Amino acid sequence: DAGVIQSPRHEVTEMGQEVTLRCKPISGHDYLFWYRQTMMRGLELLIYFNNNVPIDDSGMPEDRFSAKMPNASFSTLKIQPSEPRDSAVYFCASSPNGVQQPQHFGDGTRLSIL
Amino acid sequence: DAKTTQPPSMDCAEGRAANLPCNHSTISGNEYVYWYRQIHSQGPQYIIHGLKNNETNEMASLIITEDRKSSTLILPHATLRDTAVYYCIAKTSYDKVIFGPGTSLSVIP
Repeated sequence: DAGVIQSPRHEVTEMGQEVTLRCKPISGHDYLFWYRQTMMRGLELLIYFNNNVPIDDSGMPEDRFSAKMPNASFSTLKIQPSEPRDSAVYFCASSPNGVQQPQHFGDGTRLSIL
Repeated sequence: DAKTTQPPSMDCAEGRAANLPCNHSTISGNEYVYWYRQIHSQGPQYIIHGLKNNETNEMASLIITEDRKSSTLILPHATLRDTAVYYCIAKTSYDKVIFGPGTSLSVIP
């Protein structure tokens, strides 16, 4: 079975540039989550969707961050303009609907803003 | 979500059982205990979860005390590939997952 697919795996860009991270959840999963991981702050939930609708975006750090889920098989996390402090590993995860279902994570995108 | 407390690090000899403790003294009746692990540079991986009964799967066993205030994740025969950060999370079925700092397990040859 194909797991959660994230692209790109690595991204290096200069401060001020727009960055777009992509995620394809596991087919049939109704929930999609975006996380950010840094040494200082650990693993933080940024936003999650249910049936393509954003449910909780309280973890999104500021207006420079936005996330969309135009359909059940694709989501994007966009940073515009990017700053060096946005450097982190960004993970996408998905889970089926229903009680007790665990999350399945992708391999992450390692983002470096110079 | 109930707050969970885990030791920051542990060592275990290869081939021995690794017992990872988690304290969740404020857990409520409808909160489950979940365990995930994260091997270096990979995404977190689900291991096991339970409500009040002990659980076992192909990866590990979960022992929850009768008062549900603490639990132990058991890896019966630890291998080098089990070296990872292990996260204990207490949450209801529909809560979002909040990761704490976890326990860094080192399996020693």
